Parts: sequence; C-alpha cells; structure tokens
Amino acid sequence: SYELTQPPSVSVSPGQTASITCSGNKLGDKYVCWYQQNPGQSPVLVIYQDDKRPSGIPERFSGSNSGNTATLTIAGTQAMDEADYYCQTWDSNIGVVFGGGTKLTVL
Amino acid sequence: QVHLVESGGGVVQPGRSLRLSCATSGFIFSFHAFHWVRQAPGKGLEWVAVIWFDASKTYYADSVRGRLTISRDNSKNTVYLEMNSLTVEDTAVYYCARDPEQLPRADNYYGMDVWGQGTTVIVSS
Repeated sequence: SYELTQPPSVSVSPGQTASITCSGNKLGDKYVCWYQQNPGQSPVLVIYQDDKRPSGIPERFSGSNSGNTATLTIAGTQAMDEADYYCQTWDSNIGVVFGGGTKLTVL
Repeated sequence: QVHLVESGGGVVQPGRSLRLSCATSGFIFSFHAFHWVRQAPGKGLEWVAVIWFDASKTYYADSVRGRLTISRDNSKNTVYLEMNSLTVEDTAVYYCARDPEQLPRADNYYGMDVWGQGTTVIVSS
C-alpha cells in the first residue's frame, strides 16, 4: 500500500503564511494535487501537478514537491481560506491515494 | 456550464445493493475519465474507483474491489457506481469527479477538476 501523511491541524494568523505538508515515500517522484473542502461542500482542486493552479484559484496558493514531502503554501492567509485541505497522488501500484486531511484554522 | 449531478443514494440494509448515477452536462463527456470518491461522516476523502474515457480500463480501491463496479454510458453522458454486498462501512457521501484526462495514470495525473454535490448512502439495519 501507499500512504500520505498530513498533520491533522494547522493554525495561522490572518495575513501570515500557512504551510501544510504531505509526506509519502519518494513522493517527489509522483505528481501531487491539493484540494480545499469547506464544511458541507464538495472539494475544490487548488493545485495540480505539484505546483500548477487551476484557473480561478488565487495566486496566494502555491505548491511544491521534493523528496518525501509536498507542501501547500497559502501566502497572506485570509479568513475565507479556513477549510480542510487534502493532498492526493496517483500510485502506479494502487491508484489514487488521498492524505488524511488537514484542518486549517485562521485565528 | 459544467455540471455533475449525482443521484441514487438512500438508506439500504446491509447486504443489499444500490446503483448511483452521475449525470453530466456542459462539456464533451467522452473526452474525460471519471472517478468516484467517498467521504464517511466526519472522515476524510477516500478514492473509490476510476474509469477511462472509453471504459477500456477501470481501477478500484482495495476496500471496494469485487463489490463496487464503475461504468459509463457515453450516449447518456452518465457515470454509474453499482454497489453490491453493502456494509455499514460503505456509509458515506459519494462524489462523482471529472478527470481532465482521457487516460489518467501516474505519469500524467492532473487531479479531479470538477466535482458533483454528492449523494448520501446510509447502510443500516
């Protein structure tokens, strides 16, 4: 099997930079996506192929992936960014894998 | 506008079957692969299955292989999830999600760019 590990929670002050990590064996050799999910809503793709933003996603969202860790960075975090965030990859042996999710709190 | 609309959820007894549908509109259905993803109450996202644009390949999570079957009808722009031998562990919101690619795989994975609103399945006696 293949597992992605995320911290359960991350806190950030408004206007500061939030970093959410996602760890997996040789994750840097795979493509990583990130999703934002607000309570009661469907997930939204915010980063794909490690560091690309879909149209409509603010520039303050960025991603990186190297070694065993991928990171979602939110610069100038706003109250509206408070949500659950999930990393995801495709493992050639088992298919799509999600991380356990990180609750981002803006306080 | 691009839309994915899931339906078919409900309350079902353990051991019974259910078929979910995902009706799509606003784009060329046959240009895309599709996934089903589920989320148990208070839990994270769990990938269930994917089907390629022409249904030539399907992949499943170990937890559902042999019990759940993904299929598609390109003439109806609809994706299905046939669910058999349901257990309480299958209780979840089931989302249909579009893949930007026709043939997604590890070396060309672009994520899931459009999601439906989800349909709720409750397995309970």
